[in-house]
Amino acid sequence: GNSVTQMEGPVTLSEEAFLTINCTYTATGYPSLFWYVQYPGEGLQLLLKATKADDKGSNKGFEATYRKETTSFHLEKGSVQVSDSAVYFCALSPITQGGSEKLVFGKGTKLTVNP
Amino acid sequence: KAGVTQTPRYLIKTRGQQVTLSCSPISGHRSVSWYQQTPGQGLQFLFEYFSETQRNKGNFPGRFSGRQFSNSRSEMNVSTLELGDSALYLCASSLTKTQYFGPGTRLLVL
Repeated sequence: GNSVTQMEGPVTLSEEAFLTINCTYTATGYPSLFWYVQYPGEGLQLLLKATKADDKGSNKGFEATYRKETTSFHLEKGSVQVSDSAVYFCALSPITQGGSEKLVFGKGTKLTVNP
Repeated sequence: KAGVTQTPRYLIKTRGQQVTLSCSPISGHRSVSWYQQTPGQGLQFLFEYFSETQRNKGNFPGRFSGRQFSNSRSEMNVSTLELGDSALYLCASSLTKTQYFGPGTRLLVL
């Protein structure tokens, strides 16, 4: 079946540190891949996406590259800020015959950035 | 463009009652999906509607149901509420395979 595995949190970093959150997936074919971010008390915000192998999604300094050979979509940021503190979710949208856009999520990784 | 809106934002119910949650998608989006978020189970897919038809359904009991109207607005209903139904219910709309989420409805069942 389709599944997403994220590194367990929580992750605590100092401001300006380098961030990596690992994400690997299991799916048939070439699913679309996403990173969403959830701030306390809010819904999910789309952070970035990639729809085919070797695509790089980027937004607000965050990047992730769709690696088919390692079935991975790791999230990176070169210099984190206190405002990046949130829960990050990796997700995939499987290829389906009926055109469904259902998302399968990882369990989320809580990031805390200290000043 | 206005984002996805969900009403109400907070709700307290007692066991055995039923509840209806509402979602208004981004203008022009025809696909609406619903998810349940709990600390234990994470984010789980409930169902998806497209042009008033249920296109996909997750693994939830029949107490959970939904519908979509001709203006793409959607509602979900949970009947005979159980304590375990306490969760954040998220609605998402999409146009081309990218889902945008609303702020959610937080349901507490006492």
